[in-house]
Amino acid sequence: DGGITQSPKYLFRKEGQNVTLSCEQNLNHDAMYWYRQDPGQGLRLIYYSQIVNDFQKGDIAEGYSVSREKKESFPLTVTSAQKNPTAFYLCASRLRDNEQFFGPGTRLTVL
Amino acid sequence: GQSLEQPSEVTAVEGAIVQMNCTYQTSGFYGLSWYQQHDGGAPTFLSYNALDGLEETGRFSSFLSRSDSYGYLLLQELQMKDSASYFCAVTISSGSARQLTFGSGTQLTVLP
Repeated sequence: DGGITQSPKYLFRKEGQNVTLSCEQNLNHDAMYWYRQDPGQGLRLIYYSQIVNDFQKGDIAEGYSVSREKKESFPLTVTSAQKNPTAFYLCASRLRDNEQFFGPGTRLTVL
Repeated sequence: GQSLEQPSEVTAVEGAIVQMNCTYQTSGFYGLSWYQQHDGGAPTFLSYNALDGLEETGRFSSFLSRSDSYGYLLLQELQMKDSASYFCAVTISSGSARQLTFGSGTQLTVLP
């Protein structure tokens, strides 16, 4: 079945360490997105990519980095420069102009 | 920039009808979407309005007034499983790029 895979589901890291969150899709979608969600809040856009080897900053890109070397993959690195990295991270791809399809998310906790 | 306003909480009883409102301020407006998210889960798409008026999909209806920068999601015949957070999101267009900006969501609690 087509879909988006995010791994791992839960991730624990020590403060000051970089960590990379995986996002893989087999939907053949060009556009992919990374969002951050804090408790009781909406989703905020971190980075997005319209096509392979191209990506743009979203509203809260500071302390994060991405790559898009393959159409299927859009990994997100949370760097030590991100002051409050503990959050729920969601990856999505664009199904149609008006609809995004989300992966199951990764819950990152920095100790 | 973009901003969206949604009531934080709504409570209703099973079988009832509930309306959840969304007002927005944005440039490059393309459309208004609604997503449902259960606790700990991923958001799932419910509906989309690009033009003024009402869109109906089963028990769910969504309305948009572009002149008022206002929309709402209407849920009929409420069921316990409808208890979730509901987010409105504006699609903004920048060239060929499409971005979603989400509101903070309305937590719907359905009581028996």
